[in-house]
Amino acid sequence: SQQGEEDPQALSIQEGENATMNCSYKTSINNLQWYRQNSGRGLVHLILIRSNEREKHSGRLRVTLDTSKKSSSLLITASRAADTASYFCATDDASEFVDGNEKLTFGTGTRLTIIP
Amino acid sequence: EAQVTQNPRYLITVTGKKLTVTCSQNMNHEYMSWYRQDPGLGLRQIYYSMNVEVTDKGDVPEGYKVSRKEKRNFPLILESPSPNQTSLYFCASSLFRWGQPQHFGDGTRLSIL
Repeated sequence: SQQGEEDPQALSIQEGENATMNCSYKTSINNLQWYRQNSGRGLVHLILIRSNEREKHSGRLRVTLDTSKKSSSLLITASRAADTASYFCATDDASEFVDGNEKLTFGTGTRLTIIP
Repeated sequence: EAQVTQNPRYLITVTGKKLTVTCSQNMNHEYMSWYRQDPGLGLRQIYYSMNVEVTDKGDVPEGYKVSRKEKRNFPLILESPSPNQTSLYFCASSLFRWGQPQHFGDGTRLSIL
């Protein structure tokens, strides 16, 4: 079953603007990851945030995590044409760790288009 | 260069003809997994392996087999492919399972006619 759901499904912005994508999930998690996928290519890991962290930065990326709302956001500042891609969140289900069923569950992604 | 290599990248074949998609990683990772990606469904895990000779089913294992005889290799086998297995497949690996970023291959686009 899908754990993370990204919102919006698609987003188009002008180059230089900031892009914000959101991820909501249903169960308690150990950590949440964000990935980027360029068209037809494999996913590339961007950032991992643990359940006891609230915010994390990596270059132009800022990720927040609100475990009380079961949501995360990915902010890309000063967007560039090269940021055009699909972005996915992925969660580790804390309950599955207890059951020993290790699995990382991906959402369906946000398609980001940067207009030059 | 650290990488996950899948082969072939593209394959068109017919129903019932056994095929194998290979996956190899050069990072000495313990954990490897296979995903399929379909429009509107995101990535779904097919099988995963915690280490050599240790494999288990993911969300959508029906019609697939895997093996993990060596740490670096994790082939995906379709014994009797059917059209509903037409999809984009990804192999991924990580140092171990929990709390680790996944390294993905470039994908295999499989069409079953």
